[in-house]
Amino acid sequence: AQKVTQAQTEISVVEKEDVTLDCVYETRDTTYYLFWYKQPPSGELVFLIRRNSFDEQNEISGRYSWNFQKSTSSFNFTITASQVVDSAVYFCALSEAFGGGFKTIFGAGTRLFVKA
Amino acid sequence: DSGVTQTPKHLITATGQRVTLRCSPRSGDLSVYWYQQSLDQGLQFLIQYYNGEERAKGNILERFSAQQFPDLHSELNLSSLELGDSALYFCASSVADRADSPLHFGNGTRLTVT
Repeated sequence: AQKVTQAQTEISVVEKEDVTLDCVYETRDTTYYLFWYKQPPSGELVFLIRRNSFDEQNEISGRYSWNFQKSTSSFNFTITASQVVDSAVYFCALSEAFGGGFKTIFGAGTRLFVKA
Repeated sequence: DSGVTQTPKHLITATGQRVTLRCSPRSGDLSVYWYQQSLDQGLQFLIQYYNGEERAKGNILERFSAQQFPDLHSELNLSSLELGDSALYFCASSVADRADSPLHFGNGTRLTVT
C-alpha cells in the first residue's frame, strides 16, 4: 500500500541556517510521482515541485533543492539560507494510479519554524 | 491565489445536520479532488472527479457524497454530522486526469460541528 512518512514533526532553525526536510515513501508501483507542497500560516497548500519515478536527477531552484533516491525510497527537500517567510508546514506527497483515476496521498507534514 | 474558490470559508453547525461545501476549480481544470484535513488524521483523500465523472474514491464516509456539475464546479455534501467531522475540507483541481498533474488547492472550508 502507499505510504508517505515524514518523521520530523517540527523543526526550528534560525534565519540563514540550512534545513533539510526528510520524506520516505512506500509503493508497489513502478510508475509514480512525488511532490512537495507548502502550507503557510494562511492555510492554502501550494505546489512546489514534482518528480517522476524514472527521474532521479536532483534539482536546485533558487534556495530550494531536492534529493530523490529511489534506492532508499527517499525524496528530501533542502532550504538553503532559510528565511522567516519559509515558516510553514511542508508536505511530501505520492501520486499513483488508483481505481479509474489516481490519488495523491500526503505525509503528516513537517512544521518548520524559522526564527529571525 | 491558486484560482480555486471554495465557499463558505467557515461553517458552524450542530450534530445531525447536513451541509454542502462548494468548489469552483481553476479555469481550464477538469479534475476536482476533495480532501479532509484534521489534526489526528492529517490530509485524507476523499474523492476525485474528472469532467463530471467519479474517478477515484478514498476514505469517504457513506454519510458523505460529492458530485461535479457540467460547469465543472463540485459540491461535497456531508450529512448526519458528528463531532468528529469537524475539520478543514480542501478542494483541489488539476488540468488533467493524470498522476503527474500537480494539485492546486483552494483556501478550504473550516467545518465546526457542535
